[in-house]
Amino acid sequence: NAGVMQNPRHLVRRRGQEARLRCSPMKGHSHVYWYRQLPEEGLKFMVYLQKENIIDESGMPKERFSAEFPKEGPSILRIQQVVRGDSAAYFCASSPDRGEPQHFGDGTRLSIL
Amino acid sequence: QQQVKQSPQSLIVQKGGISIINCAYENTAFDYFPWYQQFPGKGPALLIAIRPDVSEKKEGRFTISFNKSAKQFSLHIMDSQPGDSATYFCAASKGQGGKLIFGQGTELSVKP
Repeated sequence: NAGVMQNPRHLVRRRGQEARLRCSPMKGHSHVYWYRQLPEEGLKFMVYLQKENIIDESGMPKERFSAEFPKEGPSILRIQQVVRGDSAAYFCASSPDRGEPQHFGDGTRLSIL
Repeated sequence: QQQVKQSPQSLIVQKGGISIINCAYENTAFDYFPWYQQFPGKGPALLIAIRPDVSEKKEGRFTISFNKSAKQFSLHIMDSQPGDSATYFCAASKGQGGKLIFGQGTELSVKP
């Protein structure tokens, strides 16, 4: 069974560009969570989505950040007009149902030049 | 506001020893407490988890101890091995499927 797949594994962007991070959940999982890990820090919750719905976006910055999980295809975390402070590792987790444990992908390392 | 505090930040243990990592939480609504293990360049992997209706849970060499009145829980790694060297995160959530609030992590190094 394939685990949670994230791509790209590494992404380099210049300030002002857009970053798109993709997450394909484990087979049979319809719940997706995004977390951000800054250097030397723990993971911070960003957003929780179920197919076509945003369930909890309490951790998302108010501007420039958006997330979606369409009926078909991967979940996308989009960061517009990136700034140096967006440099971090972004992790996606999935679960088959709301009451089940979350399983993480290996993350996307975003670097802003 | 830091809702889950983890200590120590780093830990060095000799092979065969016991590694102990502690966490304290503030929100009494939390009812699910997992521990994750993370190797460099990898995502966190679920190790073991506990709910507050039990005071201890053991899986192999890993044990969680839970003290509801003190709002504290800890991970014990028995017979620690060099392969256990990794960063360990405690977390808490309201309900097993809710968003996870993570501690700041403990970097464990097990010396041969």
